[in-house]
Amino acid sequence: GAVVSQHPSRVICKSGTSVKIECRSLDFQATTMFWYRQFPKQSLMLMATSNEGSKATYEQGVEKDKFLINHASLTLSTLTVTSAHPEDSSFYICSAATGGDQPQHFGDGTRLSIL
Amino acid sequence: GENVEQHPSTLSVQEGDSAVIKCTYSDSASNYFPWYKQELGKGPQLIIDIRSNVGEKKDQRIAVTLNKTAKHFSLHITETQPEDSAVYFCAASIWGAQKLVFGQGTRLTINP
Repeated sequence: GAVVSQHPSRVICKSGTSVKIECRSLDFQATTMFWYRQFPKQSLMLMATSNEGSKATYEQGVEKDKFLINHASLTLSTLTVTSAHPEDSSFYICSAATGGDQPQHFGDGTRLSIL
Repeated sequence: GENVEQHPSTLSVQEGDSAVIKCTYSDSASNYFPWYKQELGKGPQLIIDIRSNVGEKKDQRIAVTLNKTAKHFSLHITETQPEDSAVYFCAASIWGAQKLVFGQGTRLTINP
């Protein structure tokens, strides 16, 4: 149980392109979803927290106009990297949780490469 | 805010031996401490967690201990196997708030 699916697993695109990443909870309803960014050989850094039907809460230093997050249903959240540039290249990982007393379960990440 | 320090950054042990990874946290309000295993190119997988109302929790070859007074917690893996090789992350949060703060990670290598 508690499976989180993230799609696509890998994206390679040109600078200036907008990229959408989907995060789905397959066998549970996720009231809260989280988006992380991970650089090579580094830890996970929280970018934003999204609750279904509400605006996302962004961490300090994360541009909300650059990283658009939508959590329209209890099983789907999307992260759109707008006008991506090479410095946005990274491993993006989502996680989902059913509620305040349940742990986070992670997707397998999306490796984004901007040329 | 919360700060989590994790040591060592790399750990190499012989197959069958035990491995111990240690973390310290700064916020005394933190009361939930999960451990995640991340394999290459994958997302983190929850392997065990502990809340502050207990001092130790065990699941087969994996155990976690918590010292609230000293604000540190540790992951113990016994009878290590090659498939235990991965990067392990500790994290801390306030239960219910859900926002996790991760340690820097430990790259564990099990030598056959």
